[in-house]
Amino acid sequence: QMQLVQSGPEVKKPGTSVKVSCKASGFTFTSSAVQWVRQARGQRLEWIGWIVVGSGNTNYAQKFQERVTITRDMSTSTAYMELSSLRSEDTAVYYCAAERSDGGVRAFDIWGQGTMVTVSS
Amino acid sequence: DIQMTQSPSSLSASVGDRVTITCRASQSISSYLNWYQQKPGKAPKLLIYAASSLQSGVPSRFSGSGSGTDFTLTISSLQPEDFATYYCQQSYSTPGFTFGPGTKVDIK
Repeated sequence: QMQLVQSGPEVKKPGTSVKVSCKASGFTFTSSAVQWVRQARGQRLEWIGWIVVGSGNTNYAQKFQERVTITRDMSTSTAYMELSSLRSEDTAVYYCAAERSDGGVRAFDIWGQGTMVTVSS
Repeated sequence: DIQMTQSPSSLSASVGDRVTITCRASQSISSYLNWYQQKPGKAPKLLIYAASSLQSGVPSRFSGSGSGTDFTLTISSLQPEDFATYYCQQSYSTPGFTFGPGTKVDIK
């Protein structure tokens, strides 16, 4: 079945970086786009950025522009989201989600299970 | 960035009720509007894409309408499993595919 499996929970110190992985299976990864979204406890969903897998083109929310890098490895069907200069406000569940039309329709119907990132000194 | 608003922020309804949630964009987004359902501790689930297209496997009691700046999600007959938080998301323009603030639907 189509699925995204994310890496496990992370605990990081302020000022460090975290890299979350998102492994795809059951669909054509190279014809998809992957977005990254986060959600702090009790808060709304917040869009971080996305990558069109085939072209490698990325776009990031202005809020994260200076700190986030989204990449993909087509050989392992895995997308990555790296966030640097972490602060306590970055504590949240991070989700990846995929759509299967090279970024055309943008219907993100496949979601990972979420990765809890905790930033604490 | 395009800003998204939703109304109401929460509502209480009974099983069998017709429920309507509204989403508004700060500028035209054509039909690039998705609706998601999220239950506590779970990832969002896509219900509607392109404003009015029902995602495969989603019950037909869910429907979406609208274009431009104003959009609606309707649940024709609320079922027990529909109590959740609903989010709209615009996917028209980068740099941000922004989400609305959410509408929590709970039991009256």
